[in-house]
Amino acid sequence: EPEVTQTPSHQVTQMGQEVILRCVPISNHLYFYWYRQILGQKVEFLVSFYNNEISEKSEIFDDQFSVERPDGSNFTLKIRSTKLEDSAMYFCASSPQTTNEKLFFGSGTQLSVL
Amino acid sequence: EDQVTQSPEALRLQEGESSSLNCSYTVSGLRGLFWYRQDPGKGPEFLFTLYSAGEEKEKERLKATLTKKESFLHITAPKPEDSATYLCAAMNSGYSTLTFGKGTMLLVSP
Repeated sequence: EPEVTQTPSHQVTQMGQEVILRCVPISNHLYFYWYRQILGQKVEFLVSFYNNEISEKSEIFDDQFSVERPDGSNFTLKIRSTKLEDSAMYFCASSPQTTNEKLFFGSGTQLSVL
Repeated sequence: EDQVTQSPEALRLQEGESSSLNCSYTVSGLRGLFWYRQDPGKGPEFLFTLYSAGEEKEKERLKATLTKKESFLHITAPKPEDSATYLCAAMNSGYSTLTFGKGTMLLVSP
């Protein structure tokens, strides 16, 4: 069964450093998302992406965050200058055609900012 | 602001002991109510989407139901492999994003 693939599974970085989290969504999907989950807290929406542009973003997704689909398969989340509070599990998700169809989530990247 | 509240936070069952998980939601026009299963260190795995009050969906030992304010996930004769955190999420009519609850951690003992 097709799946969303995320790399790396774990990322450790120093505060102030830039990180790029990578995702390969399911190939025929059109909508792409990033969510995050701080340990012990709810899964929170960050951003959605459709037709090569951001369609929605949350208050969390400030100027330090950016997303890109650099080619036909990858979808990336960049954090320009990481903060301690950015430590979380980051999930990439994709959905096939319409926005209220089920989202398929990847296994996540655990980001630790020291 | 959309809100999703799940109860209980944790539930311990004996194998075969049926129970229900609750999800209360407040959204501006419900587009869909989603149930996901999450295993430790993994991403949420889709279970069901419910779109209107009165709708029910089943998958193996799980059945999800929906009212205008709540959704229930009924687990019939659970097995240890049903142990996981079950997440409820709501999508409102204005956006394509999911608002998640904190989840119910289910542990089924043999």
